[in-house]
Amino acid sequence: ETGVTQSPTHLIKTRGQQVTLRCSSQSGHNTVSWYQQALGQGPQFIFQYYREEENGRGNFPPRFSGLQFPNYSSELNVNALELDDSALYLCASSSWGQGSYEQYFGPGTRLTVT
Amino acid sequence: GESVGLHLPTLSVQEGDNSIINCAYSNSASDYFIWYKQESGKGPQFIIDIRSNMDKRQGQRVTVLLNKTVKHLSLQIAATQPGDSAVYFCAENNGPNNAGNMLTFGGGTRLMVKP
Repeated sequence: ETGVTQSPTHLIKTRGQQVTLRCSSQSGHNTVSWYQQALGQGPQFIFQYYREEENGRGNFPPRFSGLQFPNYSSELNVNALELDDSALYLCASSSWGQGSYEQYFGPGTRLTVT
Repeated sequence: GESVGLHLPTLSVQEGDNSIINCAYSNSASDYFIWYKQESGKGPQFIIDIRSNMDKRQGQRVTVLLNKTVKHLSLQIAATQPGDSAVYFCAENNGPNNAGNMLTFGGGTRLMVKP
């Protein structure tokens, strides 16, 4: 196990609703990245948080937003949910600037939008 | 745009045989590559990584080879076991300052180990 935890494990929402997913990073890690993994595909980078600020963003619309807290945990918020948002949402923690590039993933949150 | 891809979507091997999973990348500026293993219902698990100043790196039963000339990456698993059955992803770093914190993943190869 990596020490990265995510909640909830599963979630069902209806189109147009909003959702908040949570991630606790591994002890000693200061960076959290979020990825979306559609069924049968590789993870796609959403954004990354470092020192409580967004530190890079993939090709996702503004209705995907996030936060990082002083304890390095993070939230992913998605507004106006669409059916195509159904996916496994993964967070990964790492230690940027400390010489290690390894990213450790949590188990993910399975979001289903109906 | 730049991408990381895989040649074979499914690989079936006999238990005890060696497995080789291949990956092509297109971003010649990438200098850090990782292999992940993902079992059903779980997040990707780090297997092994390699930086572009190396062409080979070995771990426990796994070896990663990097050929920068043809932009090719491979993962070799020795004496494949049933527990190795999973989807394997290669990923490349495309973050700022080569920080290794923003990854582009390929589509994955499913490894099936036959007893």
